[in-house]
This record gives sequence, C-alpha cells and structure tokens, in this order.
Amino acid sequence: DTGVSQDPRHKITKRGQNVTFRCDPISEHNRLYWYRQTLGQGPEFLTYFQNEAQLEKSRLLSDRFSAERPKGSFSTLEIQRTEQGDSAMYLCASRLTSGRFNEQFFGPGTRLTVL
Amino acid sequence: AQSVTQPDIHITVSEGASLELRCNYSYGATPYLFWYVQSPGQGLQLLLKYFSGDTLVQGIKGFEAEFKRSQSSFNLRKPSVHWSDAAEYFCAVATGGGNKLTFGTGTQLKVEL
Repeated sequence: DTGVSQDPRHKITKRGQNVTFRCDPISEHNRLYWYRQTLGQGPEFLTYFQNEAQLEKSRLLSDRFSAERPKGSFSTLEIQRTEQGDSAMYLCASRLTSGRFNEQFFGPGTRLTVL
Repeated sequence: AQSVTQPDIHITVSEGASLELRCNYSYGATPYLFWYVQSPGQGLQLLLKYFSGDTLVQGIKGFEAEFKRSQSSFNLRKPSVHWSDAAEYFCAVATGGGNKLTFGTGTQLKVEL
C-alpha cells in the first residue's frame, strides 16, 4: 500500500509529557500537511512543508508544537508539555504539486488522549 | 477569510432513499472544492473535487456534487443510499494555492435499514 501512513495510531499520555508523531507521505509527494481535528469539528490546518522547508504555520501551532521534515520525506510533529486541550486526532496529508492542481491525500490519523 | 458552512449536523435517511448534504462556502476567488468522508476513527477519503469546468462532478461510490457559483454552494447528492454510506461527511475549500484546506464542521449521516 502506497498511501499516507501515520504512527502511532493511538497515544495516551499524562499531562506534562512530551509526545512525537510520525507521518510518512506518498513517496513522490513534495508537500506535506498537518491538521488537528477535535471531537465534533472538521480538521483545522496546522502547518505544511514543501520538501524540507516549513512554509506556513497556523496560529493554532503554539510554541509547544514543533514539526520537522528533515530530508523532505517523513515528518514528525512533537508536542511538549502536553495539556488536556491537546487531546485530538492529528491528521497528516500529502500532495504532489505539478502543472495542474492536485488534491491532498490523508493518512489514518493519530488519536492523542491527554489524561 | 474563507469559511465553509455545513448547516446539517445530523441527517438520517432510510436505505435506498436519496440524499443531499448541503455545503456553502465563502471565498473571494474561484474556489477549489472537495467532499471527504470519514468513518469512525479513520482518516479522510476523498469523494470528489471541483476545480473548474463542468459544474456537476462525479465521484466515487455513486456520489455527485453540483457547484453553483451564484449560491456559493457545493451540495453532495446520491440517488440511493446504502447502509455502508453511514459516516461523517466534510466539505472543504482549498485556499492559498491549495496549501490549506478549510473544512466545514461536518454532517453525520445515519442510514436506517
């Protein structure tokens, strides 16, 4: 299967702990996106990368959040000093930019529960 | 700023009945519009997309949507719903050169057998 994959699928942590999520995009896709989805809401944009460069960050991405895509392939999203309000589904998507407009393909998500 | 409104939070239909899910958007330029479906605990699967051209677009699983610029709408339709269609449906508009999707709050579809 060559879709977007995310690891882990579920993460339970205690408040104040750090967590890191990984996203592996579709191999030829140069853009990678992170979204957050809370219960009963649609996904909200967090940040995106063009290859290894992080080009935009949402105001939702507080200083406790950091994302990287070191070699332009997989990406990690780290949350430091987690808070209960960080509990959500974190979705990764990838997209190939070419001569025509293409859609984003989503992974299965990582569900974070902060106790 | 761009926004997407899905006025129906929950919809219940009988299996075999027709379905229409409403979506209204607010965006100054020509929109790129999408419908995604999400099953419980899963990611998002693209049903269909509108970029330009024919305003009636066909998608997977027998879904279609019609773009109406004058009404700023992109409603999703299916002539005959199957029990497996029960899921949450999200309408989205792409902005910033497609680098950011703005989603509606979703419509939860329940199918009665």
